[in-house]
Amino acid sequence: AQSVAQPEDQVNVAEGNPLTVKCTYSVSGNPYLFWYVQYPNRGLQFLLKYITGDNLVKGSYGFEAEFNKSQTSFHLKKPSALVSDSALYFCAVNGGTGGYNKLIFGAGTRLAVHP
Amino acid sequence: GAGVSQSPSNKVTEKGKDVELRCDPISGHTALYWYRQSLGQGLEFLIYFQGNSAPDKSGLPSDRFSAERTGGSVSTLTIQRTQQEDSAVYLCASSLGRGSGSGNTIYFGEGSWLTVV
Repeated sequence: AQSVAQPEDQVNVAEGNPLTVKCTYSVSGNPYLFWYVQYPNRGLQFLLKYITGDNLVKGSYGFEAEFNKSQTSFHLKKPSALVSDSALYFCAVNGGTGGYNKLIFGAGTRLAVHP
Repeated sequence: GAGVSQSPSNKVTEKGKDVELRCDPISGHTALYWYRQSLGQGLEFLIYFQGNSAPDKSGLPSDRFSAERTGGSVSTLTIQRTQQEDSAVYLCASSLGRGSGSGNTIYFGEGSWLTVV
């Protein structure tokens, strides 16, 4: 069955430092991978996705993610964190042979960026 | 519209009452999804509509939950005889074509916050 793991409930980073939010997945076949961000009392906003091609994907707000097939990972990164990046981040997977009808989400990682 | 629109944004209802939540997808999007976000439960898939095909209802938690999509556009999620455990944020989303299975991005609305008292 398709699944997504976000091993960290919370990540704390000082403003200006690089940040990484981890995501690993399990899916049969070729995965499509997505990152979303959720600010307090808001819906989910799309950040970036990997479909095919270059393993390094660039997205909104300076975020990027690297698809690593051998490690089945899709970690979200940003070179220099901002306090305004503080939010809840969700990794999601779709595709493969498990069906295309829905995104399967990880449990979410809360990012706290401190001044 | 510019984005996925959901109403009401907040709803407080008494246990046992029925509620209806409405979703207006992005114009031109043929795929429509409902998800539920509960504290401690993460994001839970409920139902998926694609064009005129039969919906994928595999995520609906009980027969008290139902959804329809009229004219391939607006969707309504109905919860009958609400229970306290139904309290959650109900998120609607839409995408082009066959949705994320084709690599299309799924865009979410702001959600309908349901509280059952």
